[in-house]
Amino acid sequence: GNSVTQMEGPVTLSEEAFLTINCTYTATGYPSLFWYVQYPGEGLQLLLKATKADDKGSNKGFEATYRKETTSFHLEKGSVQVSDSAVYFCALSGRLSGSARQLTFGSGTQLTVLP
Amino acid sequence: DTGVSQDPRHKITKRGQNVTFRCDPISEHNRLYWYRQTLGQGPEFLTYFQNEAQLEKSRLLSDRFSAERPKGSFSTLEIQRTEQGDSAMYLCASSLGTSAFQETQYFGPGTRLLVL
Repeated sequence: GNSVTQMEGPVTLSEEAFLTINCTYTATGYPSLFWYVQYPGEGLQLLLKATKADDKGSNKGFEATYRKETTSFHLEKGSVQVSDSAVYFCALSGRLSGSARQLTFGSGTQLTVLP
Repeated sequence: DTGVSQDPRHKITKRGQNVTFRCDPISEHNRLYWYRQTLGQGPEFLTYFQNEAQLEKSRLLSDRFSAERPKGSFSTLEIQRTEQGDSAMYLCASSLGTSAFQETQYFGPGTRLLVL
């Protein structure tokens, strides 16, 4: 079955530090890959996505590259801000029926950025 | 575009009671998904609808869980005879089903359930 393994947290960084959150996956076929972010008390927001090998998703300074050879989709940001403090989830899409897809999530990584 | 909305945002109930949650998807989205998120974990898929048809329900956690989407718009998730283990965040997501590559799910704020 499909699974996602994420770097365990919590992760604490100083403002302007470089961020990497590791994500590896196991899947049949060629899933799309996603990063979602969850701020305290809120639902999940889509951060970025990639739909095929070597695609790079990017948004708000965050980037992740779909690496089929290493089955990875690591999240990076060059300079984090206090406002980036949140829980980050890596996810992959698995087939349901037709073009519908079920998301399989990692367990999440709590990021805290200190001023 | 007002996003996915869920009601209520919080629900406290006593063990054995029935609860019902509502989800209103983004207006033009034909697919609607329910997930459950327990503390410290990622969301877990429960069921989904394409328009009013429930096309996958084998992942519902037990026969105490049921979901409907009667007119292909809003959906309800009901839990009968709640147990303390049902305490979790229940998330709804919707998508516009065009192709697998374009399938992106947008999540609501969730309903947090506490069973005493």
